[in-house]
Amino acid sequence: EVQLVQSGAEVKKPGESLRISCKGSGYSFTNYWISWMRQMPGKGLEWMGRIDPTDSYTYYSPSFQGHVSISADKSINTAYLQWSSLKASDTAMYYCARLRATFPADYWGQGTLVTVSS
Amino acid sequence: QSALTQPRSVSGSPGQSVTISCTGTSSDVGGYNFVSWYQQHPGKAPELMIYDVTKRPSGVPDRFSGSKSGNTASLTISGLQADDEADYYCCSYAGSYNLIFGGGTKLTVL
Repeated sequence: EVQLVQSGAEVKKPGESLRISCKGSGYSFTNYWISWMRQMPGKGLEWMGRIDPTDSYTYYSPSFQGHVSISADKSINTAYLQWSSLKASDTAMYYCARLRATFPADYWGQGTLVTVSS
Repeated sequence: QSALTQPRSVSGSPGQSVTISCTGTSSDVGGYNFVSWYQQHPGKAPELMIYDVTKRPSGVPDRFSGSKSGNTASLTISGLQADDEADYYCCSYAGSYNLIFGGGTKLTVL
């Protein structure tokens, strides 16, 4: 069974750093890209970027370029989303998903809620 | 890069059909046959319902269908059921490895 399991909810202060994770199982992790999406409270989905776990090649949405970092460790089938300095506006639910060749996200993680508040 | 345009809400009675539109440009929806649709129930992760404009993943009922004309893609749900009440999002490839979502549509089953 294909599964993407994300790390738990986080509460952080502005300016702090954070890395959340997404562990894949039940399939060959390097055969599919991993994508990250943001959903702010009461709002829609936004595509942040994606990574090829084979070589860690990443692409970021222009809206998120420079604000987050996506990485992966294929030895442990895990992808990451990282911030170096959080802002209150980063408060959101973050989802990882497996991307198929023509870009549909066919399996999703359960989501990680990130709350940034002083 | 602006989100694809979806109606904020649609509604229908059980057994009826509803169609949700998703309008983009020739650089995204109109330029590629890589449109997907997602269903999201409150507090849950999204679920893939349609991909490559018209294809259904295994397990998705054939009551769900997709189409595209020009820069507008559509999701049609026939034989509405109470459990279809959810938010629906379209997503399109926009070139240069970029994806773009629609703003989302809330479906209410009356």
